[in-house]
Amino acid sequence: SYELTQPPSVSVSPGQTASITCSGNKLGGKYVSWYQQKPGQSPVLVIYQDNKRPSGIPERFSGSNSGNTATLTISGTQAMDEADYYCQAWDSTTATYVFGPGTKVTVL
Amino acid sequence: QVQLQESGPGLVKPSETLSLTCTVSGASINSYYWGWIRQPPGKGLEWIGYMYDSGRTNYNPSLTSRVTISVDTSRNQISLKLSSVTAADTAVYYCAREVSLAATYGMDVWGRGTSVTVSS
Repeated sequence: SYELTQPPSVSVSPGQTASITCSGNKLGGKYVSWYQQKPGQSPVLVIYQDNKRPSGIPERFSGSNSGNTATLTISGTQAMDEADYYCQAWDSTTATYVFGPGTKVTVL
Repeated sequence: QVQLQESGPGLVKPSETLSLTCTVSGASINSYYWGWIRQPPGKGLEWIGYMYDSGRTNYNPSLTSRVTISVDTSRNQISLKLSSVTAADTAVYYCAREVSLAATYGMDVWGRGTSVTVSS
């Protein structure tokens, strides 16, 4: 089955840039979505189709996807961005979805 | 505004069947794709399955022998049934909407989730 890997945690200072990676075999050939989840809340879609932002998501969230790695970038990170972030991809072989294990972003 | 509301028993006994409902308001079930996702306490998200076209489904290969997703279009509800549950099925269960499959547009609307504990 298709698997995605993410670093367990990323730390960033306020105002700096946080980069969260998501790796999978030939991931660049698939669409990747990213979700933000704060404690006790439902996940929120922050990036879809690798690099598109849904309405209402701040411009500081951006994404890229190439080769075996997709990256979610948070520019000018704010305290409110502290959350768990999950990548998601489509396994075309089985027509199913897979989530990455998640990355906890801490704003120090 | 599209809203999803999960509901069902908060406690299920081991070996029994977990049954949950997702009530959709503000959108027609026939127009979108609908998924179920769960999250065990302190752990990450696990995709369970999706339904579209008022009944076409696909499931996580690790759960496919135990899971059934169905629809009641008259009530605008999607149902999840998971049989032979164990403590490992204890989780918050979410339903979510997709405009299209293959992660083309992502899961853009989520319910608040409903917590299910499997215990005798």
